[in-house]
Amino acid sequence: EPEVTQTPSHQVTQMGQEVILRCVPISNHLYFYWYRQILGQKVEFLVSFYNNEISEKSEIFDDQFSVERPDGSNFTLKIRSTKLEDSAMYFCATQGRVGTEAFFGQGTRLTVV
Amino acid sequence: GQQVMQIPQYQHVQEGEDFTTYCNSSTTLSNIQWYKQRPGGHPVFLIQLVKSGEVKKQKRLTFQFGEAKKNSSLHITATQTTDVGTYFCAGRATALIFGKGTTLSVSS
Repeated sequence: EPEVTQTPSHQVTQMGQEVILRCVPISNHLYFYWYRQILGQKVEFLVSFYNNEISEKSEIFDDQFSVERPDGSNFTLKIRSTKLEDSAMYFCATQGRVGTEAFFGQGTRLTVV
Repeated sequence: GQQVMQIPQYQHVQEGEDFTTYCNSSTTLSNIQWYKQRPGGHPVFLIQLVKSGEVKKQKRLTFQFGEAKKNSSLHITATQTTDVGTYFCAGRATALIFGKGTTLSVSS
C-alpha cells in the first residue's frame, strides 16, 4: 500500500531555533497538506499546497511558518523560531485529487523546550 | 471561517453496545470524510460521503450524510475492543477541516 513518509519521527529543539519537518508524498499525488495535533486535541489544519504554491492556510500558519517542495519530491514545513506552544504532532497528508482520500504520514512529534 | 463540530467528545461503552458520533458543519460541505485514529497513531481514512442523504455501510459501521449536507453521523453496532480510538469527521468546503473528534473507549 502506498504511504506518506515523514522524518524525523521525533524532534526536540530549543525555543527560538528553526526546525524543518520533511514529508515524502505518495508519488503521483498532487495535493499536500500539513496538520498539527496538540496532545489529546483535534487535528488542526495548517496549510494546503498545490502546483508549487500555497492554496490555503489557516490562522495558525503565520509568518513563522513556511512550506516548500524544493526538489519535486520532499515537501517541507519550516518553523523559523519555535515557541513552546509549537510542541505538537505534525502530520503531512497528501491526496491524488481534491475530494478523495487523504493519506496521512506517521507524524513528527515536535517538542520545544 | 468554516467550523466542524463533533459530539460527544468522549464515549465509553461496554463491548457489544452501540455507539454514535455526530458531526455538524457551520457551512454546506461538498463532501464529508471520516477518519479513525488509534491511540498514538495517525488518522486513517474510513469513508467519504458526497451525496445529500447518502448512507453507506462498512460491516458494523454506518455513515450518514444529512440532506442539507451540513451534518453527518457514524454509528457502530455492537462495539468491539478493536473499535477503540478517536473518530474524526472532516468536511471540505475548501480545505479539509477536522472536527474535534469523539474518543471511544470500550470495556470488555
